[in-house]
Amino acid sequence: NAGVTQTPKFRVLKTGQSMTLLCAQDMNHEYMYWYRQDPGMGLRLIHYSVGEGTTAKGEVPDGYNVSRLKKQNFLLGLESAAPSQTSVYFCASSAPLRPLAGTYNEQFFGPGTRLTVL
Amino acid sequence: DQQVKQNSPSLSVQEGRISILNCDYTNSMFDYFLWYKKYPAEGPTFLISISSIKDKNEDGRFTVFLNKSAKHLSLHIVPSQPGDSAVYFCAARVYGGSQGNLIFGKGTKLSVKP
Repeated sequence: NAGVTQTPKFRVLKTGQSMTLLCAQDMNHEYMYWYRQDPGMGLRLIHYSVGEGTTAKGEVPDGYNVSRLKKQNFLLGLESAAPSQTSVYFCASSAPLRPLAGTYNEQFFGPGTRLTVL
Repeated sequence: DQQVKQNSPSLSVQEGRISILNCDYTNSMFDYFLWYKKYPAEGPTFLISISSIKDKNEDGRFTVFLNKSAKHLSLHIVPSQPGDSAVYFCAARVYGGSQGNLIFGKGTKLSVKP
């Protein structure tokens, strides 16, 4: 199992350019997430998905769009990149919550995509 | 407004000694707390978690303690090893929160010296 993979690993954009980050997972997880991490900051949730065809906004969704056309893939799009979007982007996936079992299913993270917007 | 705070950006410990990483939170509605470990150029990896109904959870060298009255949790690593050198993130989930969304602290960089 590859787990969670992210493409590309690095990217440099000019302001105003667009791009799509791809996340793929082979663990048959229902839930997928996109986070960004900035220097000296924790991870902040951008968007998430609880299943194929569904997406929702997280803490910092502005300037990003997402799509979950297939269960195993979660795409993050930047329509018009800005320098403020320079960051490291992490994708994660998890199994659904099991409230009755009283347990929390951990999120598995990809290796990250380092994006620089000039 | 930070709901999960890790006030120590860094910690240096001698190999074989105990490492104690601290985390404070403000939201009484958190029901799960987790610790993630992150090496440079890698994604975070899950380390250990604790439910809000417990006050201690142990897994090998790692123990997490939760003090709900103080809204404080800590991760103890005993004995510390050089391979434990990484950034440690504390994270929390709001009870009934959307599909397991986590709120992360800013992280503490642990350096274990041989």
